[in-house]
Amino acid sequence: DQQVKQNSPSLSVQEGRISILNCDYTNSMFDYFLWYKKYPAEGPTFLISISSIKDKNEDGRFTVFLNKSAKHLSLHIVPSQPGDSAVYFCAASAPFQGAQKLVFGQGTRLTINP
Amino acid sequence: EAGVTQFPSHSVIEKGQTVTLRCDPISGHDNLYWYRRVMGKEIKFLLHFVKESKQDESGMPNNRFLAERTGGTYSTLKVQPAELEDSGVYFCASSQVQVSEQYFGPGTRLTVT
Repeated sequence: DQQVKQNSPSLSVQEGRISILNCDYTNSMFDYFLWYKKYPAEGPTFLISISSIKDKNEDGRFTVFLNKSAKHLSLHIVPSQPGDSAVYFCAASAPFQGAQKLVFGQGTRLTINP
Repeated sequence: EAGVTQFPSHSVIEKGQTVTLRCDPISGHDNLYWYRRVMGKEIKFLLHFVKESKQDESGMPNNRFLAERTGGTYSTLKVQPAELEDSGVYFCASSQVQVSEQYFGPGTRLTVT
């Protein structure tokens, strides 16, 4: 039972344009969401998070949007840079209810073309 | 500040053998987690320590897996005896408080032949 889904296995974007990565979840108990970036042979690197009391969080070029009614979140990267090429994982947890374990999506491979 | 470290980076063992993975969390982080990624699939939760206590071990696949966290510092994950399906990358993560991001180590790639 896949509670967190990233339906696009890959995405290709031109350098300088906007990258939009999407994530859907099914468990309404989730109240904290995170995006991680992963390079080959490395562990996931934390990018940005959002709690369910917000609908938007920004950090530099990265913005996460949360639509609780649709159980959908997205990560926007503007402008996209070649170093952004990596696999991006969406993750969800329910820490406010004592469940801190992260449930991950399958990942989306982002390629930024020069 | 040093990040999460894991040892070894890669281990190749035969089916039936024993392997012990080690994780050193970020200093001061009470929460320590183990995750596993098998065959390029999603990263799956194994268990969560708060200091030396197991808070949640709902993701442990079976009793061949034993995790310990001595004194609330580093943690070990032992697989005994190893099976072919245990192959994958084992990640350790740590966090300071309950509602916060988890910081991941580089992972240990386990290959069981």
